[in-house]
Amino acid sequence: DSGVTQTPKHLITATGQRVTLRCSPRSGDLSVYWYQQSLDQGLQFLIQYYNGEERAKGNILERFSAQQFPDLHSELNLSSLELGDSALYFCASSSDRLLYGYTFGSGTRLTVV
Amino acid sequence: AQKITQTQPGMFVQEKEAVTLDCTYDTSDQSYGLFWYKQPSSGEMIFLIYQGSYDEQNATEGRYSLNFQKARKSANLVISASQLGDSAMYFCAMRGPSGNTPLVFGKGTRLSVIA
Repeated sequence: DSGVTQTPKHLITATGQRVTLRCSPRSGDLSVYWYQQSLDQGLQFLIQYYNGEERAKGNILERFSAQQFPDLHSELNLSSLELGDSALYFCASSSDRLLYGYTFGSGTRLTVV
Repeated sequence: AQKITQTQPGMFVQEKEAVTLDCTYDTSDQSYGLFWYKQPSSGEMIFLIYQGSYDEQNATEGRYSLNFQKARKSANLVISASQLGDSAMYFCAMRGPSGNTPLVFGKGTRLSVIA
């Protein structure tokens, strides 16, 4: 157990629908990051939150949004889903030590049918 | 902007042999961190090893070592005595000094260990 909890592990939904992915960071970590990994692709950075505030934005579609709550858990909302949104979505957390890496959750595998 | 390049989409290695996975990077930062992650077929991302830009010694973690050549901007991962369980995707990544710079990943190398 990495300490980062992601739910659900698997999600199957239809095109046009909306889903919410949830992430609880490792205890003590203030930063949460969301990444998307499509089939046979590397990890694409979506968005970062630090202690409730958005800190950095990557290639996140306008149909996607995220937030981090006072208890530091984060949610990634994906709406108007398309087939191409099918991917593995990772949440990761890190400490304030800037040169440290991230601890990843086990991911949510989203399948849009 | 930071960039990671992994030029080997796939590699094969015989069990018990050593293998080197290549990684080059590009950054204008003086302070940065380099990382390797392993992703087995189950999908999770497993941290393997870290090298800081100011570290003079190459990082080692068990059978993993990082061959850091700063002037050439390379950070190759060396796995000694390969095991069947090493078969996985391997990602090189880097992070800059600012809290606003996220971890940037390469496209990965798929390693297959042959018995």
